[in-house]
Amino acid sequence: KAGVTQTPRYLIKTRGQQVTLSCSPISGHRSVSWYQQTPGQGLQFLFEYFSETQRNKGNFPGRFSGRQFSNSRSEMNVSTLELGDSALYLCASRDRVGREGQRTDTQYFGPGTRLTVL
Amino acid sequence: SQQGEEDPQALSIQEGENATMNCSYKTSINNLQWYRQNSGRGLVHLILIRSNEREKHSGRLRVTLDTSKKSSSLLITASRAADTASYFCAMNTGFQKLVFGTGTRLLVSP
Repeated sequence: KAGVTQTPRYLIKTRGQQVTLSCSPISGHRSVSWYQQTPGQGLQFLFEYFSETQRNKGNFPGRFSGRQFSNSRSEMNVSTLELGDSALYLCASRDRVGREGQRTDTQYFGPGTRLTVL
Repeated sequence: SQQGEEDPQALSIQEGENATMNCSYKTSINNLQWYRQNSGRGLVHLILIRSNEREKHSGRLRVTLDTSKKSSSLLITASRAADTASYFCAMNTGFQKLVFGTGTRLLVSP
């Protein structure tokens, strides 16, 4: 199976603009999570979607939003960009059932989108 | 902060040596996972250990978990230059929201 894909891989924006990042999960995976990675704060959870519903949300301002489509692809949007939003944004997908039929919590990460805000 | 703490922050060893990284966390967990990241790229899942397990092996990896001390360790045996990367522990508290540790940068020199 193909892995998690994220587009674009690199993005440069200016303060005040908005941005939309895309994530395609592994085929058959219905759970998609988003994380932000910065040198100062490390890896932080943004939100998780399952079957087009947001199931969990991290401590980020309302400028950060997301959605999931019926084919499990997900997008996240950041409005009114700030310099501090510069980060690597990682998407992860998860299948609820592993190869042996047991419940699994393993998340598979994409390569990330590196966003630079000038 | 809910982040787990990892030590050491950086580790430099020679090929063939063992590398040990430690992770401490603050809350109860369902499981703890270890990930590897090469040069700011995506995370690669290494191993998952559940809260009712004490030790787990996968190839050259050995993970231990002590829930009473809220700590875990990752041992990489017979390290190779290709193991050079950052390693993160991640705690799953039951809501599929992974809380990551601060990471250990491992450098394995030939």
